[in-house]
Amino acid sequence: GENVEQHPSTLSVQEGDSAVIKCTYSDSASNYFPWYKQELGKRPQLIIDIRSNVGEKKDQRIAVTLNKTAKHFSLHITETQPEDSAVYFCAARPGTGFQKLVFGTGTRLLVSP
Amino acid sequence: SAVISQKPSRDICQRGTSLTIQCQVDSQVTMMFWYRQQPGQSLTLIATANQGSEATYESGFVIDKFPISRPNLTFSTLTVSNMSPEDSSIYLCSVRDTDTQYFGPGTRLTVL
Repeated sequence: GENVEQHPSTLSVQEGDSAVIKCTYSDSASNYFPWYKQELGKRPQLIIDIRSNVGEKKDQRIAVTLNKTAKHFSLHITETQPEDSAVYFCAARPGTGFQKLVFGTGTRLLVSP
Repeated sequence: SAVISQKPSRDICQRGTSLTIQCQVDSQVTMMFWYRQQPGQSLTLIATANQGSEATYESGFVIDKFPISRPNLTFSTLTVSNMSPEDSSIYLCSVRDTDTQYFGPGTRLTVL
């Protein structure tokens, strides 16, 4: 089955810097890749997603890139702000079977003022 | 986007007892899921709740321990049976609406 690896596990940046979180997946049939942000004590919230027919997607300060050949995708946050501090999860969903999301292990992002 | 509610939001239970968690969605959805999230950990899928048929469980999770009901397209329950302290966790309901998957607010369970 699908396996998703996520790095780094923790990331500390200064406010205004950029942050990059990387994920790799194992199943070449995966075709949907969402990113979730989870603040302390809150539910995971979808922040951006990308499908396998697209190489990059942007939404204001966040962007996701996908390299299907290498089977990896990344989340980019520019001009980070303290409110970006949270745990971020990547996920992948194979295009066959029960189509369940497989999550990465999470990245704790800390943005210091 | 789908609006998901869960009850209870939190509970403290004694070992050996059972707790049923309810999940309600404001629209009909085809796929509903139950996840467990232990402190500081990622999201682990327990099972897919199928409307009108038995749930599909992931490896390591069994129906006797986590019975699930899905009587219609907007509601599901997860029961945590014969609880032990190891069952202390956050349990999240999740639904898929077209391509996007949303999460409920979670139920924080503490077993003493």
